[in-house]
Amino acid sequence: SQKIEQNSEALNIQEGKTATLTCNYTNYSPAYLQWYRQDPGRGPVFLLLIRENEKEKRKERLKVTFDTTLKQSLFHITASQPADSATYLCAAATGYALNFGKGTSLLVTP
Amino acid sequence: ETGVTQSPTHLIKTRGQQVTLRCSSQSGHNTVSWYQQALGQGPQFIFQYYREEENGRGNFPPRFSGLQFPNYSSELNVNALELDDSALYLCASSLAKTGVGEKLFFGSGTQLSVL
Repeated sequence: SQKIEQNSEALNIQEGKTATLTCNYTNYSPAYLQWYRQDPGRGPVFLLLIRENEKEKRKERLKVTFDTTLKQSLFHITASQPADSATYLCAAATGYALNFGKGTSLLVTP
Repeated sequence: ETGVTQSPTHLIKTRGQQVTLRCSSQSGHNTVSWYQQALGQGPQFIFQYYREEENGRGNFPPRFSGLQFPNYSSELNVNALELDDSALYLCASSLAKTGVGEKLFFGSGTQLSVL
């Protein structure tokens, strides 16, 4: 079955460092991947979309890469801040659905 | 804030009861999707409505049903509630059907607890 896998272990980093989150997909070739941020008790908020023909996309301190050979996307937050602490979800379309990973929890400490 | 509103925010029901959750989509959006998110899991697709018709359905039993109204607002109905139905139910609206690169705008969800 088509799967989106994210590292379920929480990522703890120090303020100012770069956080790197990984998303792997198996058994299909999505035309694009999306990244969302989710805070506790809230719905996910869209951050970035990257298409299969784009190697990299940036938005302010965020950067996403898409490697179709490795079947992997990396999500980077540079100069991380405590306000970046949240769960980050990777998703890819399967028909009319978005297929989400379980998310990776990021904690940025001062 | 996305402009997608859901009600109620919290709900407690007992096993076997029925529940209706409501969603108002963002202005201008004609597509509504519903997702179930269990604790510690990613959102799971329930179904999508496009211009009042069900457009796609995930792996959920028929006791999960929905409606979309002419103003594009939507309802999710769950009959014969089971303990495993306890979850955060998320509504998301978009400008077009998912699958063509559309991003989703989520509401804050309804937290359903089944006792």
